[in-house]
Amino acid sequence: SQQGEEDPQALSIQEGENATMNCSYKTSINNLQWYRQNSGRGLVHLILIRSNEREKHSGRLRVTLDTSKKSSSLLITASRAADTASYFCATVSGTSYGKLTFGQGTILTVHP
Amino acid sequence: KAGVTQTPRYLIKTRGQQVTLSCSPISGHRSVSWYQQTPGQGLQFLFEYFSETQRNKGNFPGRFSGRQFSNSRSEMNVSTLELGDSALYLCASSSGGGNQPQHFGDGTRLSIL
Repeated sequence: SQQGEEDPQALSIQEGENATMNCSYKTSINNLQWYRQNSGRGLVHLILIRSNEREKHSGRLRVTLDTSKKSSSLLITASRAADTASYFCATVSGTSYGKLTFGQGTILTVHP
Repeated sequence: KAGVTQTPRYLIKTRGQQVTLSCSPISGHRSVSWYQQTPGQGLQFLFEYFSETQRNKGNFPGRFSGRQFSNSRSEMNVSTLELGDSALYLCASSSGGGNQPQHFGDGTRLSIL
């Protein structure tokens, strides 16, 4: 079963623009993670934010977490054509560390 | 450091057959998790093995089973294949502790005819 929803389902932007994706979840979490998937490939881990953290940065990525609203957002700044991929949020609850519960994902297309 | 390796990459089977998929985790990782990805249901957790023991299990029928060996390599077996089992099966490894990311292989694409 899916933990929650991501929106938008699809996002199309021009190179250089920022892309923002949102994720909502249903249960209390231990941490929330964002992954990228290029077509037909495995998932690549982007960033992990713990439940007691509110914001985290990694290069051009910025993730926020609002546990009161059970939501997170991923911001990719100055996007590039190579950022074209599907992006998934995933949560870990309690001590089920090896169990990721994924959202439906956002398909990002960056036009050169 | 070598990444997570899944074999085979592609597999075609017919209904009623069984299949075994293999996953070699990153060296030193003791946790291996399996996921099924389909267009309709998205990414769904199958099970996780840690130090040869199943530690977590998803909501899949008993036809889906797995095991982990002493070298942390893992196999997943699906018996009595159904058309709906067509999917990308992904394996991920991690150290198994809290707040650690999972590292995914490129998956096995299983097609049922």
